[in-house]
Amino acid sequence: QKEVEQDPGPLSVPEGAIVSLNCTYSNSAFQYFMWYRQYSRKGPELLMYTYSSGNKEDGRFTAQVDKSSKYISLFIRDSQPSDSATYLCAMSDEGNLIFGKGTKLSVKP
Amino acid sequence: SAVISQKPSRDICQRGTSLTIQCQVDSQVTMMFWYRQQPGQSLTLIATANQGSEATYESGFVIDKFPISRPNLTFSTLTVSNMSPEDSSIYLCSVGGYRGKGEQYFGPGTRLTVT
Repeated sequence: QKEVEQDPGPLSVPEGAIVSLNCTYSNSAFQYFMWYRQYSRKGPELLMYTYSSGNKEDGRFTAQVDKSSKYISLFIRDSQPSDSATYLCAMSDEGNLIFGKGTKLSVKP
Repeated sequence: SAVISQKPSRDICQRGTSLTIQCQVDSQVTMMFWYRQQPGQSLTLIATANQGSEATYESGFVIDKFPISRPNLTFSTLTVSNMSPEDSSIYLCSVGGYRGKGEQYFGPGTRLTVT
């Protein structure tokens, strides 16, 4: 079983839809959780950073961490074509960052 | 967050040659990281570069193949040596975060194609 599992998609939604992106993990020691957004031919950009469990909201983006289920989510409200990118989850236990494979999202106008 | 630049942004190289990738940060940082991103695969850490000491390599990566330099707190290089088509990938440098543990900020990447 891989440490971090993420559905690679692709995921296609209409503009304005609510998008849900998810990752599961196996290492219960992870306590730092991140979401990165990567546009085509660009480096990953840190989008959300969460320590331990709970929710964090930033504009249209909400990150949720459920440590009991070893499950993290990123919600995008009122999705826009500019949200079209690959979204990578990442997590660590104060050691190295472990990444998911990324989910490719396309938001159609 | 730090501003990170990489050179070259892309290159096409012949089998058996070497390429050195440069990473420049706009502020002094303790730890710099080098990653490889292959199509359909997770970002994979190659090594951690600390100023003034030898780089620390992850399992599956060796210094002879990926020598790293870290001459100061704002600069690092990664060399991909004796390249084969399997080395075709995106190579990314990153720096550790400032708000807490775990977060990293990435450069734009170097897209390498080996023919």
